[in-house]
Amino acid sequence: DGGITQSPKYLFRKEGQNVTLSCEQNLNHDAMYWYRQDPGQGLRLIYYSQIVNDFQKGDIAEGYSVSREKKESFPLTVTSAQKNPTAFYLCAIAQGPYGYTFGSGTRLTVV
Amino acid sequence: GNSVTQMEGPVTLSEEAFLTINCTYTATGYPSLFWYVQYPGEGLQLLLKATKADDKGSNKGFEATYRKETTSFHLEKGSVQVSDSAVYFCALSDQSGYSTLTFGKGTMLLVSP
Repeated sequence: DGGITQSPKYLFRKEGQNVTLSCEQNLNHDAMYWYRQDPGQGLRLIYYSQIVNDFQKGDIAEGYSVSREKKESFPLTVTSAQKNPTAFYLCAIAQGPYGYTFGSGTRLTVV
Repeated sequence: GNSVTQMEGPVTLSEEAFLTINCTYTATGYPSLFWYVQYPGEGLQLLLKATKADDKGSNKGFEATYRKETTSFHLEKGSVQVSDSAVYFCALSDQSGYSTLTFGKGTMLLVSP
């Protein structure tokens, strides 16, 4: 995964429960991103952060929250306000004009 | 705003056939363009890129040329293999550096022996 690690690989959430997805990188990059992938929908941006202690909402931020207390870590919390959380979640880091490097993803399922 | 449009799949080919996956884009300025590939259950991997008009990106037998006049970045491969079966995403970045990527919806490629 080129130095970017997502965990867990599979996650199950009960109705009304908050869950947190981990994203860690050791490539010393400033910019980190969270995307959601649904079948036939491509990737949609949830949140991104370009520097520690700062982050911006993407296109579908409602029902999600993030923090960026350390450069290496950008966890995503899926809150109970997200009514349709079942999806594949991808974390990425930016490498300037060379595009992104992605983690291997977390598949979240509501049970 | 920025947008990327890809041909819908699945694209089904026999091994050694010629592949084209169409991609067109709408963007302000001079975007960088990318193709990513996703194998089942995995994250996306960068396949190739082009950062300015008329650039050709290439990797693993795949090629795409940045055509500003037609706002296109079509992916081609002369002879596909079964191992090329995956989902392919076209994407653009409207600045170098740390801007967000805009993705197309992806095109599934299925190659049979």
